[in-house]
Amino acid sequence: AQSVAQPEDQVNVAEGNPLTVKCTYSVSGNPYLFWYVQYPNRGLQFLLKYITGDNLVKGSYGFEAEFNKSQTSFHLKKPSALVSDSALYFCAVREGSNYQLIWGAGTKLIIKP
Amino acid sequence: ETGVTQTPRHLVMGMTNKKSLKCEQHLGHNAMYWYKQSAKKPLELMFVYNFKEQTENNSVPSRFSPECPNSSHLFLHLHTLQPEDSALYLCASSQMYTNSNQPQHFGDGTRLSIL
Repeated sequence: AQSVAQPEDQVNVAEGNPLTVKCTYSVSGNPYLFWYVQYPNRGLQFLLKYITGDNLVKGSYGFEAEFNKSQTSFHLKKPSALVSDSALYFCAVREGSNYQLIWGAGTKLIIKP
Repeated sequence: ETGVTQTPRHLVMGMTNKKSLKCEQHLGHNAMYWYKQSAKKPLELMFVYNFKEQTENNSVPSRFSPECPNSSHLFLHLHTLQPEDSALYLCASSQMYTNSNQPQHFGDGTRLSIL
């Protein structure tokens, strides 16, 4: 069965420091992986995706994510955090012909000035 | 982003009321989705419409009734809801349901509270 795990409910980072939000997945075939962000009182916004090719994917707002097939991970990263990055982050996976996205429970990212 | 618009933003209703949520997308997409979002839980997919045809119904209780009159509009009709149905209801759209590498675009949701 497909699944996504975001092992941290909350991540706290000081402004200017690098940030990582973790995501691991389980699928039987090749995964399509996505990151979304949700700001307070808003819907989800697409950040980036991995479909195939280069393992390092760059997305919106300076975020990037690294696909690691051996560790079945797709961690979200940013070299220097901004206070405005504080939000809820969701990882999602889709496998091949199974069109439904499987979502993680979300990680709350708090960037402190 | 104003590509997907949901109304109302907030809704309070009693368990015996009938109400409807509305979603409209201006992105030229052919697939539309209803999700339920509860705190600290993964998003729950409720319904999917692809080219106006319902393609997914994830065991959603019959007190939730979707309607998709065209590819740009999606409704969720609510009747005799329970307190556990209180949540944020999100509408999303994408190019096609079967196009697996395309992202979904979300509205800002309707915050539903059942008294």
